[in-house]
Amino acid sequence: SAVISQKPSRDICQRGTSLTIQCQVDSQVTMMFWYRQQPGQSLTLIATANQGSEATYESGFVIDKFPISRPNLTFSTLTVSNMSPEDSSIYLCSVVEGETQYFGPGTRLLVL
Amino acid sequence: AQSVTQPDIHITVSEGASLELRCNYSYGATPYLFWYVQSPGQGLQLLLKYFSGDTLVQGIKGFEAEFKRSQSSFNLRKPSVHWSDAAEYFCAVVTYSGAGSYQLTFGKGTKLSVIP
Repeated sequence: SAVISQKPSRDICQRGTSLTIQCQVDSQVTMMFWYRQQPGQSLTLIATANQGSEATYESGFVIDKFPISRPNLTFSTLTVSNMSPEDSSIYLCSVVEGETQYFGPGTRLLVL
Repeated sequence: AQSVTQPDIHITVSEGASLELRCNYSYGATPYLFWYVQSPGQGLQLLLKYFSGDTLVQGIKGFEAEFKRSQSSFNLRKPSVHWSDAAEYFCAVVTYSGAGSYQLTFGKGTKLSVIP
């Protein structure tokens, strides 16, 4: 099974600033996903990031707010730009290996 | 639209009692179904999955789930709950939207509390 790590594990940020979250996988994967889990809510897919192509964003999410990089098959970053308190969430990286989807431990973000 | 419903927001059981968490899906084709567990402050962990074949699926930590197409359900069960099972449980379904793309749709989760 894929092992996923995320950095940072948590952060507290001021509104108006940006935070870049890193996701590292221990194997090469084609499909990588970024999810958001707002307090007390289920997971919401932000975007799908495939290596070598532009990320595909879900309804309600735009590239200017959540730019994503996918430089190779084991790494991706998600930036939360111009943060507001509404961006306080857990952000999870996820990959597909075989027929199973695996999740990273998440990055807990609090925006003041 | 494809969806997953977990009717119970919060369930409390006594340690040693049996457990059943409900999950209903709405999807026209044969679904790929998952159960994940999220312990407090932790990420998601896959408990079990169903793709095809035997409708009774065994997972980790003593959990099992049964796929019932006639009821569009994929309920999670455990015969004897341990205090460490207190967590939030998410049912999810993989839906294919064509052109090689798919997404994982989650239910809203069921929070399990265990009374010692």
